[in-house]
Amino acid sequence: DQQVKQNSPSLSVQEGRISILNCDYTNSMFDYFLWYKKYPAEGPTFLISISSIKDKNEDGRFTVFLNKSAKHLSLHIVPSQPGDSAVYFCAASEFDNNDMRFGAGTRLTVKP
Amino acid sequence: DTAVSQTPKYLVTQMGNDKSIKCEQNLGHDTMYWYKQDSKKFLKIMFSYNNKELIINETVPNRFSPKSPDKAHLNLHINSLELGDSAVYFCASSQDLTSEAFFGQGTRLTVV
Repeated sequence: DQQVKQNSPSLSVQEGRISILNCDYTNSMFDYFLWYKKYPAEGPTFLISISSIKDKNEDGRFTVFLNKSAKHLSLHIVPSQPGDSAVYFCAASEFDNNDMRFGAGTRLTVKP
Repeated sequence: DTAVSQTPKYLVTQMGNDKSIKCEQNLGHDTMYWYKQDSKKFLKIMFSYNNKELIINETVPNRFSPKSPDKAHLNLHINSLELGDSAVYFCASSQDLTSEAFFGQGTRLTVV
């Protein structure tokens, strides 16, 4: 059962515009969410996280929004840069439980 | 059907023991990975295995060794377990080194 879903396998945006990556989850017990960024042949690197007590967390050009009632979170990148081109993974867990579930990833391509 | 499955989900063992964690993928992917998750939930790549080519993260102790009996399996063997090996280990697979990855549920290893 896939408890974390990223329904868009790919996304292409123009440099300078906003990139919005979406993630849905089914387990209402999840209370901690992370986004990872992965370049080819490298491991995922942590990007940003949010706990369920918040609905927004911002770090520079990256903002994660959490809608608990919809079991949906999104990652906004503004402005998008060519160096942001990578695969982005959404992950979810219960904070006190290391049972983390990952989405399949969305490949973002930012065109100059 | 679970795309990437790891067994066992939990493993508690004593220092000095040798243990294995199994990983199987039914996606027909050519590339598999092992990651170690640290206390901050950051993922660190340990190995990637692509068409019988093994790429090793140099920081991984040689007590850790991946074994791939066939394309669908990449097992992680750990010799002479140490307390610091306690962590959650994730297996993943992808079609190739640049494609989206599917993760297993993780194996929580506790060394006592």
